[in-house]
Amino acid sequence: DTAVSQTPKYLVTQMGNDKSIKCEQNLGHDTMYWYKQDSKKFLKIMFSYNNKELIINETVPNRFSPKSPDKAHLNLHINSLELGDSAVYFCASSQGVQGHNEQFFGPGTRLTVL
Amino acid sequence: AQTVTQSQPEMSVQEAETVTLSCTYDTSESDYYLFWYKQPPSRQMILVIRQEAYKQQNATENRFSVNFQKAAKSFSLKISDSQLGDAAMYFCAYTSGTYKYIFGTGTRLKVLA
Repeated sequence: DTAVSQTPKYLVTQMGNDKSIKCEQNLGHDTMYWYKQDSKKFLKIMFSYNNKELIINETVPNRFSPKSPDKAHLNLHINSLELGDSAVYFCASSQGVQGHNEQFFGPGTRLTVL
Repeated sequence: AQTVTQSQPEMSVQEAETVTLSCTYDTSESDYYLFWYKQPPSRQMILVIRQEAYKQQNATENRFSVNFQKAAKSFSLKISDSQLGDAAMYFCAYTSGTYKYIFGTGTRLKVLA
C-alpha cells in the first residue's frame, strides 16, 4: 500500500501550457511538501503545508499554485509552463507539528517542457 | 542563512568495504535536526538516518552510522560492509524545526563488485 503517491509519474508538455500534479498520502500526516529536483539533482523545497495551511513558500513564481483540499492531499498546479520548469517534482509528508520529523517522499513526477 | 555542503560529488567503494560521506552545515541555531537520505536510481527518496543536535550520541541504523561533530558543524555518514544495493545518491539535510528542510547537493556512491 503506497504511503505517498503522485500522479502522473511522467508529464511531457509544451511551453505555455497549464498542468497539474496530484499528491496523496495515506499516513495520516499533518504536513505535506513540494520539492523541485533539477537536472543536477539539487533538491529544493517549494512549499510546506500544515493542516491545509500554507506555512512555507520559498520564493516560487506565482505560476505555481499549490492546493490542499484536505490533510491527505496536496496538488500542484503550474500555469504558463516554461522550459526552466523541467525537473522532477517530489511530494513529501511528515508527522507532527514540530516541523523536524522524517519526511516520506513520493516517487516523483518528471516534468519535461518542450 | 543555513546552508548544507556536500563536498564529494562522487565516491566509490569496494563491496564489503567501509566508506564515509561528508557533510558540513552552517547555522546559528543551537537546536536542529540532521538527516541522511538515499535516492537510488528508482528516484525514491528514503531516510537512512536522523540525528537530533541536542543528543551527543551518534545515531546508528544497522550498517549506517554517523559521526556528528556539533562544534565543527560536521555530520558524516559511515556505511560499513557496503553492498551493491547501497549504490545511490546520498543527500544530507538540515532543519531547525520550521518545516523548511535544506538539502545538500548530494554524493553519488558507486559500489564496485
